[in-house]
Amino acid sequence: GESVGLHLPTLSVQEGDNSIINCAYSNSASDYFIWYKQESGKGPQFIIDIRSNMDKRQGQRVTVLLNKTVKHLSLQIAATQPGDSAVYFCAEISIQGAQKLVFGQGTRLTINP
Amino acid sequence: GAVVSQHPSWVICKSGTSVKIECRSLDFQATTMFWYRQFPKQSLMLMATSNEGSKATYEQGVEKDKFLINHASLTLSTLTVTSAHPEDSSFYICSVQTVREKLFFGSGTQLSVL
Repeated sequence: GESVGLHLPTLSVQEGDNSIINCAYSNSASDYFIWYKQESGKGPQFIIDIRSNMDKRQGQRVTVLLNKTVKHLSLQIAATQPGDSAVYFCAEISIQGAQKLVFGQGTRLTINP
Repeated sequence: GAVVSQHPSWVICKSGTSVKIECRSLDFQATTMFWYRQFPKQSLMLMATSNEGSKATYEQGVEKDKFLINHASLTLSTLTVTSAHPEDSSFYICSVQTVREKLFFGSGTQLSVL
């Protein structure tokens, strides 16, 4: 079956530093990718998205990079803050089938003061 | 975006009882809502797609008679966990789909079955 996975389950960075969270996906037919942030006991919160016809998209302090050649997605968070501590999930939707959102494993990001 | 309200935030129940979880789309008429389950330190797993006015579509391995879904209006979907058992303890999350692929999530319901 199709799956979306993450390289690292945990990541710790110093406050103020930049962080990079990686994600590998296996469905080459996926055309839309989303990063979500989930704080403890809460539902996922949309961060940023990217379509397959793009390789980079920037938001406020966040950048998503897409490398379709190696089926790799990354989320860069600049100048990390304590409030960035959370679990981050990548998710994909395939243009085939029922277009259901498939979540990756998740990476726990911890910002150290 | 869409504002999604989920209730209750947490519930504790005895084994064998049934629990109903509500998901409301406060500012968007949602013909489709999704129900996810999340075990500790794991990702979200789609349980079913709730369709307004029709039967829900369940994912493989999800018992439709155990997890009853009702989507009677464009703003409300309910998930009822029937005859709950300790293994049903989990974090249940609903989501609303607005424009293509954009999902907005409720705050989740932590279910603990004793």
